[in-house]
Amino acid sequence: DQQVKQNSPSLSVQEGRISILNCDYTNSMFDYFLWYKKYPAEGPTFLISISSIKDKNEDGRFTVFLNKSAKHLSLHIVPSQPGDSAVYFCAARPSNSGYALNFGKGTSLLVTP
Amino acid sequence: EAGVVQSPRYKIIEKKQPVAFWCNPISGHNTLYWYRQNLGQGPELLIRYENEEAVDDSQLPKDRFSAERLKGVDSTLKIQPAELGDSAVYLCASSGWSGEKLFFGSGTQLSVL
Repeated sequence: DQQVKQNSPSLSVQEGRISILNCDYTNSMFDYFLWYKKYPAEGPTFLISISSIKDKNEDGRFTVFLNKSAKHLSLHIVPSQPGDSAVYFCAARPSNSGYALNFGKGTSLLVTP
Repeated sequence: EAGVVQSPRYKIIEKKQPVAFWCNPISGHNTLYWYRQNLGQGPELLIRYENEEAVDDSQLPKDRFSAERLKGVDSTLKIQPAELGDSAVYLCASSGWSGEKLFFGSGTQLSVL
């Protein structure tokens, strides 16, 4: 069963606008959430993370929001740039099973000039 | 600092043949992970090592898959015999003591014909 869900397989945004990628989870034991970015033929690279005790974390153009009651998190990219075009994976770590991450299926973001 | 190194990058084999993947984690990282990523899916954990001990191998198909991490550094993942459904990208990742984020290698793209 998919415990981390990214329901939008793809998203297209114009350069300079905001990109919003969404992620839902079902496991209440998740205590740490991460976003990874993946270019073709490369491994996923860490982008930004948030602990379950926070509701927002910001790093430059990237902000992650966490709504624990709704079991929902989102990644905001402002402003979007063509180089942001990649597949974005939402990942979550259960507090009771080491550091292995559960991943969503990913959202392919295309930023057009 | 060198990242996670995997080899080979690509492997094409016929079904029923054996295949092996190699991973060298980031120096000093005690935790090593093998993930499998099927087309259009997120990475799924196969096995996690703490030093040389496999602490989570519940998702590893043990009838044909095996892994080892001798001396707690490099790791090898083997499939014998390979089946058509094993075609996927095999990703290795490592993390330090905090385990807050995983660093991934570029992966091995396996095609079983």
